[in-house]
Amino acid sequence: NAGVTQTPKFRILKIGQSMTLQCAQDMNHNYMYWYRQDPGMGLKLIYYSVGAGITDKGEVPNGYNVSRSTTEDFPLRLELAAPSQTSVYFCASSPNTEAFFGQGTRLTVV
Amino acid sequence: AQSVTQPDIHITVSEGASLELRCNYSYGATPYLFWYVQSPGQGLQLLLKYFSGDTLVQGIKGFEAEFKRSQSSFNLRKPSVHWSDAAEYFCAVDSGGYQKVTFGTGTKLQVIP
Repeated sequence: NAGVTQTPKFRILKIGQSMTLQCAQDMNHNYMYWYRQDPGMGLKLIYYSVGAGITDKGEVPNGYNVSRSTTEDFPLRLELAAPSQTSVYFCASSPNTEAFFGQGTRLTVV
Repeated sequence: AQSVTQPDIHITVSEGASLELRCNYSYGATPYLFWYVQSPGQGLQLLLKYFSGDTLVQGIKGFEAEFKRSQSSFNLRKPSVHWSDAAEYFCAVDSGGYQKVTFGTGTKLQVIP
């Protein structure tokens, strides 16, 4: 079972560049989330989706965008990378409240 | 607003010793409560959850947690720690909705021989 798959695992970006973090799940979960994890800060919710075509902002959405065209995919877009976006990003999916996490993408902006 | 406090940033225990990780939450009603574990370089994995009913819940890998309403706590316990339990542990609170899960800042567990 693949579960939640995130790509890439690592990435270095220059300030001002853009990129898309990919997330796919094969469990047919309606709910999907993007979190960022910074040392000593726990996980902060960036965006979430309750189903295809429906997305909403979480706690820290500035500098990010998402789309949900299918149940399976929930990509996260960084348009103008900034050093403050250096973090580990986790995608998760859920059938209700229990979340299943991907292995994360470690992003460094220099 | 709900909040979760994990007062211990780092804990070191000897292999075979017992373990208790503390979690306190702030919320008006009884929330859904979770413990997740994160091994180095990995995503989070659910250890156990409490929704209602018996206040002592059993999870995977020999972990258990007890919900104490009077203390607003949901502490994680294990009778005998194994070296493979070294990881970071996160308590989480869900006050009622997919977007309302709040994570604690985590407790990093080190296990020494």
